[in-house]
Amino acid sequence: NAGVTQTPKFQVLKTGQSMTLQCAQDMNHNSMYWYRQDPGMGLRLIYYSASEGTTDKGEVPNGYNVSRLNKREFSLRLESAAPSQTSVYFCASKGLAGDEQYFGPGTRLTVT
Amino acid sequence: QQQVKQSPQSLIVQKGGISIINCAYENTAFDYFPWYQQFPGKGPALLIAIRPDVSEKKEGRFTISFNKSAKQFSLHIMDSQPGDSATYFCAASIGGAQKLVFGQGTRLTINP
Repeated sequence: NAGVTQTPKFQVLKTGQSMTLQCAQDMNHNSMYWYRQDPGMGLRLIYYSASEGTTDKGEVPNGYNVSRLNKREFSLRLESAAPSQTSVYFCASKGLAGDEQYFGPGTRLTVT
Repeated sequence: QQQVKQSPQSLIVQKGGISIINCAYENTAFDYFPWYQQFPGKGPALLIAIRPDVSEKKEGRFTISFNKSAKQFSLHIMDSQPGDSATYFCAASIGGAQKLVFGQGTRLTINP
């Protein structure tokens, strides 16, 4: 069981470039989430997907799009990266039974 | 608007001492209060959680104290060990762990 995996681990982008962060889970969880972590701000929810085929905005969705490709995979896309999107991005998943969210190892993104 | 406020930002405790981290929330509809532990370079992991129908929950050396009237909850780590050195986040949500709102985080250092 790999749990929640994220790719890439590190990425440097120039302002205006686009990229997709990938997330997959092998725990057969229904819900998946994308967070960003910034110093002094904790983790903030960007988007989440309560089940396959549904997505909803979180606290800070501007500048991002998501796709719940299937039950296993949930991707986060930056269409036109900005320096304000420099952050560490975490994907998480949760099953129907229980409240624990399981987090991936994170992607450290720098936008110059 | 920070719905969950966490203090202190950083904390240094001697080995064997008690570490105490506090959180205050505003939304009285919150009904699930977890604490997450994060080691450098890793994603957060659930440590312990409480619901407002109890005032205290203990798991090993970790205890959550919950004060509903004051809208505050705290994490107590008894007999703190160097291996407890990590960043701790409190969080809150409505209706289970679907949309967590995190505090700003506390960097805990246990000196040997």
